[in-house]
Amino acid sequence: AQSVTQLGSHVSVSEGALVLLRCNYSSSVPPYLFWYVQYPNQGLQLLLKYTSAATLVKGINGFEAEFKKSETSFHLTKPSAHMSDAAEYFCAVSGTGNTGKLIFGQGTTLQVKP
Amino acid sequence: GAVVSQHPSRVICKSGTSVKIECRSLDFQATTMFWYRQFPKKSLMLMATSNEGSKATYEQGVEKDKFLINHASLTLSTLTVTSAHPEDSSFYICSASPPFGTENQPQHFGDGTRLSIL
Repeated sequence: AQSVTQLGSHVSVSEGALVLLRCNYSSSVPPYLFWYVQYPNQGLQLLLKYTSAATLVKGINGFEAEFKKSETSFHLTKPSAHMSDAAEYFCAVSGTGNTGKLIFGQGTTLQVKP
Repeated sequence: GAVVSQHPSRVICKSGTSVKIECRSLDFQATTMFWYRQFPKKSLMLMATSNEGSKATYEQGVEKDKFLINHASLTLSTLTVTSAHPEDSSFYICSASPPFGTENQPQHFGDGTRLSIL
């Protein structure tokens, strides 16, 4: 079975500081991994995805994530936080069997302080 | 890019009412759509997989008679919460992806429906 664990339900950084949101996965097959962002009362917007083409994946809004098989991790980073980055972030793995199902982590709330 | 539209964005109604939520893929055909439920401060819980032209596949613990799903066309899936009660109050989100392989195609999400049952 596949699963995703996001370490830290709440992360607080100062504006301009490095953002690091942690995600570890468990999968019996090579995984497809995604990061989504959710603003209040909205759906989810795709930030980036890993589909085995490159281990360092660049996404929108200056975010990137690195797939590390040895650590079963897919942490999300951004060099310099903006106030507009404050939101809920979800890491997800695509389910097996070509169903398109997504299995989500618990989510991490990012707070950006001025 | 791929766009998924969900309607309505917010519903407030009395207990016992049935509520229908629509999910449309605006610029692609979706043979499969997904319905999620999200509780406050919580992650998304997959409720069911909506399959065009056939019955939906429900996740364990989700009442299929309570949450009716219809996927009558390649661009529209509906979720009907029947005889809704306060415990059904939640944020419901749908998603879909273009059908060119599904494992690495990102799901595109609607903006969600906030359902409040009084």
